[in-house]
Amino acid sequence: EAGVTQSPTHLIKTRGQQVTLRCSPISGHTSVYWYQQALGLGLQFLLWYDEGEERNRGNFPPRFSGRQFPNYSSELNVNALELEDSALYLCASTPGTMNTEAFFGQGTRLTVV
Amino acid sequence: AQSVSQHNHHVILSEAASLELGCNYSYGGTVNLFWYVQYPGQHLQLLLKYFSGDPLVKGIKGFEAEFIKSKFSFNLRKPSVQWSDTAEYFCAVNGPYNTDKLIFGTGTRLQVFP
Repeated sequence: EAGVTQSPTHLIKTRGQQVTLRCSPISGHTSVYWYQQALGLGLQFLLWYDEGEERNRGNFPPRFSGRQFPNYSSELNVNALELEDSALYLCASTPGTMNTEAFFGQGTRLTVV
Repeated sequence: AQSVSQHNHHVILSEAASLELGCNYSYGGTVNLFWYVQYPGQHLQLLLKYFSGDPLVKGIKGFEAEFIKSKFSFNLRKPSVQWSDTAEYFCAVNGPYNTDKLIFGTGTRLQVFP
């Protein structure tokens, strides 16, 4: 069974550009979570989608947004990129809520120059 | 606000040494607690979890953790580390409600030398 897959694995963007990251959850999982892992800061919670709805949002500006599709895959969009957005963006999926094991993807390494 | 503190940022051990990584959390209610591990080049994976019951939890690869409610702690332990335990370890916590998000600590980088 395939795990959580994220694309692309790496990308380099210029400050001010926009980026879209993609995540496919494990088959049967309806919840998708996005985290930002910046150096020395651990994993910062970004967004949580379940059944196509945004359920919770972390302390990030509105230029971080996303959506979940009917097949439960998800996109994370970041507008007006800033240098400090450089980080590893991780996606995780669970069958429903976080009260169970979360399965993580390999992440997308975003570098903003 | 909910938070998780991991006081050891970088730990260096020799093989066969004992390991204890600290984790303290602040959360005003019943908690679920997790330890995740990220081996070099691999994705985050669950080591162990505590929801309720016996506060001493055993996980994979010989790891265990003890939930001490009075100390708001969930320290990770292993009696004898191996070189293959070299990884980054993250403590995480959330509440029991469906709307609760999973909060992570900043991680502890463990290096084990042969």
